Amino acid sequence: DAKTTQPPSMDCAEGRAANLPCNHSTISGNEYVYWYRQIHSQGPQYIIHGLKNNETNEMASLIITEDRKSSTLILPHATLRDTAVYYCIVRVSYNNNDMRFGAGTRLTVKP
Amino acid sequence: EAQVTQNPRYLITVTGKKLTVTCSQNMNHEYMSWYRQDPGLGLRQIYYSMNVEVTDKGDVPEGYKVSRKEKRNFPLILESPSPNQTSLYFCASSPRTGSLYEQYFGPGTRLTVT
Repeated sequence: DAKTTQPPSMDCAEGRAANLPCNHSTISGNEYVYWYRQIHSQGPQYIIHGLKNNETNEMASLIITEDRKSSTLILPHATLRDTAVYYCIVRVSYNNNDMRFGAGTRLTVKP
Repeated sequence: EAQVTQNPRYLITVTGKKLTVTCSQNMNHEYMSWYRQDPGLGLRQIYYSMNVEVTDKGDVPEGYKVSRKEKRNFPLILESPSPNQTSLYFCASSPRTGSLYEQYFGPGTRLTVT
């Protein structure tokens, strides 16, 4: 699976958009980009995933660059409850479904 | 409500005393797995199961056992716990194997072995 690079921490003002970057320059053509988050020792929570097209759901938007070497998770109107560690993961389809979580980005939403 | 449940949520035990952490999902998911999370090491997979009676080792299986006799349950067994198994444990399930489907995680079990 491709390695990802994320900033260790970011701040965002409440009500503003939070843009979390992820670099995955060695991604291969059949690898998806997944985003999860973990709120203070709770179980990780799936947010969104995509292959090459931009994706949007009720939680967030995922923007993947045309060369697929980087992506951005966008939380359009961050709230205090969005404070969490956000993980960007890229992987192919393996039988074991192993999601290798790195260090992630600790997002702090401030009032 | 669709969910993955784990019990107990917190457990303090002594070295060598066998314990079981239960995991149950109500979504009829085929795939289930166990992870442990330690500071600086991220989440590491212990065991996984692709369906009933089908289990396999993950990255860190030593000292653990699992069973999958029913689709909904996937207990984690520590036959002889040791202090290095002190960790935060998560159970997860997904509709089927493969990265096209997201995993649902349980709330976690914080285990301390003294």
